[in-house]
Amino acid sequence: DVKVTQSSRYLVKRTGEKVFLECVQDMDHENMFWYRQDPGLGLRLIYFSYDVKMKEKGDIPEGYSVSREKKERFSLILESASTNQTSMYLCASSSPGVFNEQYFGPGTRLTVT
Amino acid sequence: DAKTTQPTSMDCAEGRAANLPCNHSTISGNEYVYWYRQIHSQGPQYIIHGLKNNETNEMASLIITEDRKSSTLILPHATLRDTAVYYCIVRLNRDDKIIFGKGTRLHILP
Repeated sequence: DVKVTQSSRYLVKRTGEKVFLECVQDMDHENMFWYRQDPGLGLRLIYFSYDVKMKEKGDIPEGYSVSREKKERFSLILESASTNQTSMYLCASSSPGVFNEQYFGPGTRLTVT
Repeated sequence: DAKTTQPTSMDCAEGRAANLPCNHSTISGNEYVYWYRQIHSQGPQYIIHGLKNNETNEMASLIITEDRKSSTLILPHATLRDTAVYYCIVRLNRDDKIIFGKGTRLHILP
């Protein structure tokens, strides 16, 4: 059974803290993605990666960075968390190609106080 | 990627067919239509995709109009577990990025 796991389902952090969100996939997928989801705004792409050590900015990269040192792991980093980064964060992975459906993890609900 | 327009919400009686429309009037010839859904507290789940022809799998059917400017996702016998937000997406066949809109919130009524 295909699986994308995220390190935490719920996380509470203070303003200014450095936050790491981890995502691991066991499908040997080349592509990995980080989204955030907010009420009324749908899913918005933050960053994505086509390969190890490669990263591309999505639609809303400001305030975030990513790291992909191994194929199966894609980390989202909030260098200095702010209250407007309170959100649901979703990780996804896919194989390259025409019919590359994305498989999503369960999400991490981050609250920054 | 082309923009899509979906109704904000829809209701459907349990056991009936749920027909979810999507307009994508600016779709280009090599863009595919994809459908995902998101059940509460879960990540999105792929349902089906198509280019020109109608498609069917174990979850749903996808009907694409001849001019490709709109499509309909059909859940043939809706159950309470089909209550979710359904996203219609159009994307290039070689573009891995998927742009999610706001989707349609489908309520299945007992």
